[in-house]
Amino acid sequence: DAGITQSPRYKITETGRQVTLMCHQTWSHSYMFWYRQDLGHGLRLIYYSAAADITDKGEVPDGYVVSRSKTENFPLTLESATRSQTSVYFCASSESAGGFTYNSPLHFGNGTRLTVT
Amino acid sequence: KQEVTQIPAALSVPEGENLVLNCSFTDSAIYNLQWFRQDPGKGLTSLLLIQSSQREQTSGRLNASLDKSSGRSTLYIAASQPGDSATYLCAASPSGTYKYIFGTGTRLKVLA
Repeated sequence: DAGITQSPRYKITETGRQVTLMCHQTWSHSYMFWYRQDLGHGLRLIYYSAAADITDKGEVPDGYVVSRSKTENFPLTLESATRSQTSVYFCASSESAGGFTYNSPLHFGNGTRLTVT
Repeated sequence: KQEVTQIPAALSVPEGENLVLNCSFTDSAIYNLQWFRQDPGKGLTSLLLIQSSQREQTSGRLNASLDKSSGRSTLYIAASQPGDSATYLCAASPSGTYKYIFGTGTRLKVLA
């Protein structure tokens, strides 16, 4: 099915471990985003990407690494997981992002619930 | 720095009532504003997107308005139904950026 898929759906890991969250979209959208959602903070932008090999930091990038070698994939890696990174992570994509002449909606995946023990 | 606020944080209404959800943003220099719906344990579904040059958008029972000068957007839901129960979030896209800044949402419960 066309869309944006995230994996895994749930993940439990220990402090200090490296973990990678996957995001795949089938629309060939140029723009992709990673958000985390926490009670009391809403959705906060971690990293975003305008195209393959172009990434930029959002509001809360510390402790995270992203790559985008292919347009359809945008993995998020926690290099050394900490308890403060326990959260629900959402990947999103957009054909064009806000600020351009052609605006299109953000499309979200169903999220990955990550618990760091 | 753009900040987005949604009040109230939670709202309960009886079925059939018309209701308004509010979204405020601190910087009027935005390119567009988007409203989303989030069901428990799910991702966000886009409801309406209003470009900065527009004043409102409509989809079925939903109508979203945008007043950049006052830094406000409202989402109007007509004849609410129990199936409308969800969290509604707004997100503003600051001018010159790719980003969307989200509010913390309004959790709506429509009682049958």
